[in-house]
Amino acid sequence: AQKITQTQPGMFVQEKEAVTLDCTYDTSDQSYGLFWYKQPSSGEMIFLIYQGSYDEQNATEGRYSLNFQKARKSANLVISASQLGDSAMYFCAMREGRASQGGSEKLVFGKGMKLTVNP
Amino acid sequence: AAGVIQSPRHLIKEKRETATLKCYPIPRHDTVYWYQQGPGQDPQFLISFYEKMQSDKGSIPDRFSAQQFSDYHSELNMSSLELGDSALYFCASRQSGRYEQFFGPGTRLTVL
Repeated sequence: AQKITQTQPGMFVQEKEAVTLDCTYDTSDQSYGLFWYKQPSSGEMIFLIYQGSYDEQNATEGRYSLNFQKARKSANLVISASQLGDSAMYFCAMREGRASQGGSEKLVFGKGMKLTVNP
Repeated sequence: AAGVIQSPRHLIKEKRETATLKCYPIPRHDTVYWYQQGPGQDPQFLISFYEKMQSDKGSIPDRFSAQQFSDYHSELNMSSLELGDSALYFCASRQSGRYEQFFGPGTRLTVL
């Protein structure tokens, strides 16, 4: 079974500073993918970024980048130039069950971490 | 851009009642997932459908059932509701050949 670990229950960062959210994973699969989602207090689950295990470059989406270190099994999210609207819960997730093998690609989530951006 | 639509957004039920949650995936997305997120918890996978067939099943109680219809929308039927079913229920959709799952806004179910 796959496992996602987010050890930081909460973090505080000053507006306009960069912040790194940690995520480590455990899997025996060679092909896998990692996701980050943002969940504001309003409750919706917002897709931020995806990294495939065979992707040669770290994924980037605007102010979000994923620091993917395969040997260390870590997939940390880096948010540059934090904004007040970045205050939210952040979940790291991994897809499980490959569609090419009849699987569903369902997501397994970590416990999440709360980011607070201070003005 | 079109997003995943869920209805209703909020639902209040009594114990032992039934509830039906609806999900309309993003156009051309052929896979639908249902997740349950309890208070202060991470989302847990319930069930998924691909091309109107059940593709995977997680920790979904026998009291719950779901299906995907010909227009790809999906419904989660919940019977004999219990207090512990109070949660945020998400539907997510994915397009074949892509890995990203996009979530709907969720249905917040409260069982009294």
